[in-house]
Amino acid sequence: GDSVTQMEGPVTLSEEAFLTINCTYTATGYPSLFWYVQYPGEGLQLLLKATKADDKGSNKGFEATYRKETTSFHLEKGSVQVSDSAVYFCALSDLNTGGFKTIFGAGTRLFVKA
Amino acid sequence: DAGVIQSPRHEVTEMGQEVTLRCKPISGHDYLFWYRQTMMRGLELLIYFNNNVPIDDSGMPEDRFSAKMPNASFSTLKIQPSEPRDSAVYFCASSLRGPNTGELFFGEGSRLTVL
Repeated sequence: GDSVTQMEGPVTLSEEAFLTINCTYTATGYPSLFWYVQYPGEGLQLLLKATKADDKGSNKGFEATYRKETTSFHLEKGSVQVSDSAVYFCALSDLNTGGFKTIFGAGTRLFVKA
Repeated sequence: DAGVIQSPRHEVTEMGQEVTLRCKPISGHDYLFWYRQTMMRGLELLIYFNNNVPIDDSGMPEDRFSAKMPNASFSTLKIQPSEPRDSAVYFCASSLRGPNTGELFFGEGSRLTVL
């Protein structure tokens, strides 16, 4: 079945460092891909999405490119801030095989130090 | 606009008791999802509804769990009887036209502790 694999955390960075969180997926169809962020004590909220190959999603300085050839959707940010400390989830949704299910990765916790 | 509203935010109960979690989706959204989040298993989809009709409940762990959506603005997730292994954060999310075309909007979650 469809699945999402993320790099294990936690990831600890200093403020203004470059961030990469790796995400790869397995899907038999052509899924849409998402990054969600969860701040402490809150629900998940959409950070960015891409719906087809080579699309780049971007928001708040974060970006990720849908790479079909490597089945990847890595999250990047050029300069992280303390306020970016949160848990980041990669997710996919594939109408062809999963109905309207959204499958989430395990999440990667990010700590940013001042 | 109000987001997805869940209640209670925290529930502590004893094993064997009935637990009812409640959710009010965003007005106009036609999909509603119940997820469970634990450290061991991450985010698991339990059940989802489209236009108040349950579409896929294959993620519901066992018969002790049941979910209803009597109208477009209200859903419940019930656990009877509850067990310690049910301790988790339960999230409700709603969506317009399904997550392949739009995003999921999550509530703040209901943290359940079963002693």
